[in-house]
Amino acid sequence: QVTLKESGPALVKPTQTLTLTCTFSGFSLSTSGMRVSWIRQPPGKALEWLARIDWDDDKFYRTSLKTRLTISKDPSKNQVVLTMTNMDPVDTATYYCARTRIAAAALYFDYWGQGSLVTVSS
Amino acid sequence: SSEVTQDPAVSVALGQTVSITCQGDGLRNYYPSWYQQKPGQAPKVVFYGKNNRPSGIPERFSAYRSGNTSSLTIAGAQAEDEADYYCHSRDSSGSQLIFGGGTKLTVL
Repeated sequence: QVTLKESGPALVKPTQTLTLTCTFSGFSLSTSGMRVSWIRQPPGKALEWLARIDWDDDKFYRTSLKTRLTISKDPSKNQVVLTMTNMDPVDTATYYCARTRIAAAALYFDYWGQGSLVTVSS
Repeated sequence: SSEVTQDPAVSVALGQTVSITCQGDGLRNYYPSWYQQKPGQAPKVVFYGKNNRPSGIPERFSAYRSGNTSSLTIAGAQAEDEADYYCHSRDSSGSQLIFGGGTKLTVL
């Protein structure tokens, strides 16, 4: 059974750095073909992909946020960590981690965490 | 282009068929995936690739792609299908992952 769960602060101040941890079970990020992405959703708005890390440590970032994002993994702990620097109120959102697969000529997110609401406010 | 566009809202009468469409240059090269999101819940994949419905998703969900357009079709919409639906694809370069703006489906 695959599960993912996000953890991190519910409230951060502007200019601070956000660190979110995705703890997962039911698969290994050391296994070929496994990938994990971070996706966020501002209140009442659409989903926005942020970053992805692959089993071979390849990393991909949303171009517009690339300078602020860092994604890393610790396969021994079954964790993926996302850091976002210089947080701003517009970064207020629910942050999801999702297992990411490439199959049948498509990239898709087959399992999602419950989401972690992060509010940026002084 | 790095955008995927969707109609903001669509409605369908109970039991009727409805299609939700998305457009984007990346769709010419990459198959999309489609997500259903109900209030307060994480999104759930309902279709991906050329012809793939995840286990547990009703057969009334299907999708196809033509050119830069993809459509998710719900044949015989049920009340429980009322949700936001998101199309996802890669951009034309393949390096960026993009969600559409979402379509709010109302079942009347």
